[in-house]
Parts: sequence; structure tokens; C-alpha cells
Amino acid sequence: QQQVKQSPQSLIVQKGGISIINCAYENTAFDYFPWYQQFPGKGPALLIAIRPDVSEKKEGRFTISFNKSAKQFSLHIMDSQPGDSATYFCAARGRTDKLIFGTGTRLQVFP
Amino acid sequence: DGGITQSPKYLFRKEGQNVTLSCEQNLNHDAMYWYRQDPGQGLRLIYYSQIVNDFQKGDIAEGYSVSREKKESFPLTVTSAQKNPTAFYLCASSIKGSMKTEAFFGQGTRLTVV
Repeated sequence: QQQVKQSPQSLIVQKGGISIINCAYENTAFDYFPWYQQFPGKGPALLIAIRPDVSEKKEGRFTISFNKSAKQFSLHIMDSQPGDSATYFCAARGRTDKLIFGTGTRLQVFP
Repeated sequence: DGGITQSPKYLFRKEGQNVTLSCEQNLNHDAMYWYRQDPGQGLRLIYYSQIVNDFQKGDIAEGYSVSREKKESFPLTVTSAQKNPTAFYLCASSIKGSMKTEAFFGQGTRLTVV
């Protein structure tokens, strides 16, 4: 019940395309869903986050879509750029204040 | 500048040695965390602390120990009981009990057993 399942494990997208990463959870006590971006050898950095009372949040080229009934949320990267090439992690936080992470998606954007 | 500082960036450990990874934050955050990251895997929680002098085990605490004597410091000791310690270790902090629940991460320590 504490798991967050993330797919795909890796993703190759052409420049200008749309990158889509999906996550699913089971614990309905989760109330905060962030996405983190990590470049090689660096710590993850918060990209965008959503709470379950909204179905979508957009910040620039990055959008989170949230489906509370299906217990799924996804990250969409519009107009993907080579600089977006990184590993992306979804996560969920519950009342215990712990962040539970997905297994990560390695995104490669080719020119 | 506010942030989280992990040191050292690279650490080599001999078999049977204990080593301590440092994590310091000046963000005035109450909660601090240690995660382990292995190639191709997500971040797994080792220990976390929501307040000074208190900490809880995460999912993979065996072979690790922590202390939280000061709000800004949360060192992690990798003991000789940890059979496979080679990994990338990440420290994070967040404001506990706040609507702003972003976790900030340090730059990590890469530990290698030699």
C-alpha cells in the first residue's frame, strides 16, 4: 500500500515531442504528489507538484494530470528539449511526512 | 544561500569499516531524511527525523544509524553490518506540518567499498 509504481523505466523522445510518464498509487492517505528531476551525479530537484483536490496543474512546458478515482497521476512534458534529458521521479507523501518515490524514468530527448 | 550540504562528495570505505556521511541544512527545516539510490532504482528511505532527538527507521534501515542532536544536522553512519553499502546517498529536508511540503535534496555522497 506504500508503493508508488512508475512507468516507463526509460523513454526516448524526439525534440519537440511530448514526453509522458505515468505513476499509480494505492494508499488513499497520500495527499501530495511531487515530481522530481535528477541530472547525473546530482540530487533530485522539485519540478512540479499537485494536491488531489485538483485534476491538472501546469507550469510552463510541464503539466501534471491527476485522476483521483483511478489513483493515477502523470507528467507531460510538452515540446521536449535535449536539456530535459534526465531521470524523473514521481513521489507521494502521506500523513507520516515520508516521501515515497517511484523507481524513476530515464528520459532521453534527441535533436 | 540556503540549502543542504552533504559531505564528502565521494567516500571510499574498506571492508569492516564504519563511515559517517555528513548532512547540514540552513533552511530551518524540521524534517530531515536519508535516501539510498542504486543504479536503475528509485530512492529508498533509510531513516527520517521529524524533530530534534527523534528519528524513525525507513524501509532499509538495517546496517545504518543516525543521530539528530541539532536541528540543522542529520549525520548517517554506514556500519560494517551493511553488507552492500556501495551506493549514492541523498539527504533531504522539508518543512514539517506545513502546506509547503517541498523536500530539498543535497548533492549526494557516492560511497564505494574498496
